[in-house]
Amino acid sequence: DNQMTQSPSSLSASVGDSVTITCQASQDISNFLNWYQQKPGKAPQLLIFEASNLEAGVPSRFSGSGSGTDFTFTISSLQPEDVATYYCQQYENLPLTFGQGTRLEI
Amino acid sequence: EVRLVQSGAEVKKPGESLKISCEASGYSFSNYWIAWVRQMPGQGLEWMGLIYPGDSDTRYSPSFQGQVTLSADKSTSTAYLQWSSLKASDTAMYYCARPQSPAGTDGFNVWGQGTVVTVS
Repeated sequence: DNQMTQSPSSLSASVGDSVTITCQASQDISNFLNWYQQKPGKAPQLLIFEASNLEAGVPSRFSGSGSGTDFTFTISSLQPEDVATYYCQQYENLPLTFGQGTRLEI
Repeated sequence: EVRLVQSGAEVKKPGESLKISCEASGYSFSNYWIAWVRQMPGQGLEWMGLIYPGDSDTRYSPSFQGQVTLSADKSTSTAYLQWSSLKASDTAMYYCARPQSPAGTDGFNVWGQGTVVTVS
């Protein structure tokens, strides 16, 4: 299985800050990586697909980059509504695998 | 509007069987994989498996192979996740999800609201 290691597992920041989450794959996944946001009590929502493409309707303060085994996810100007847990997920091969999640507090 | 609507919360006893559903609307059900994802209380997301309703091709995560069964009914545009003998450790929220692309397993941009299963 392709293990996805996210860091940090949690972070606290202030409104207006820029925050970055990293995700490392145990094997090369090219750019077959997604990022999801899950707010408490809600289903996950796709934010970024193919490592760097913004899903329709997602604010431009969210961005992603990387390829191969190392990826980053950035929120450029944190807003109160960004409180959530964020997950990376690879789809280069089966089984699909998620990172363990990063809990973001403001 | 593309939607996935899941069946309601379930409370079961260990050893009982269960089948939960995910009804699709607003798109061609046969042409998109449906994934199932488990989220145990306070924990992260785990991919359980995929089913392609067009031909019922099914792929399971090794962690869930033999533990659950995925199925789909094209006539009602509904996917199912079932257990033959529940355990307390099956207590979780279960989501169904659809990828962006027909016949692809790329970003899951449509999700059901989740079904809570409690086994006690």
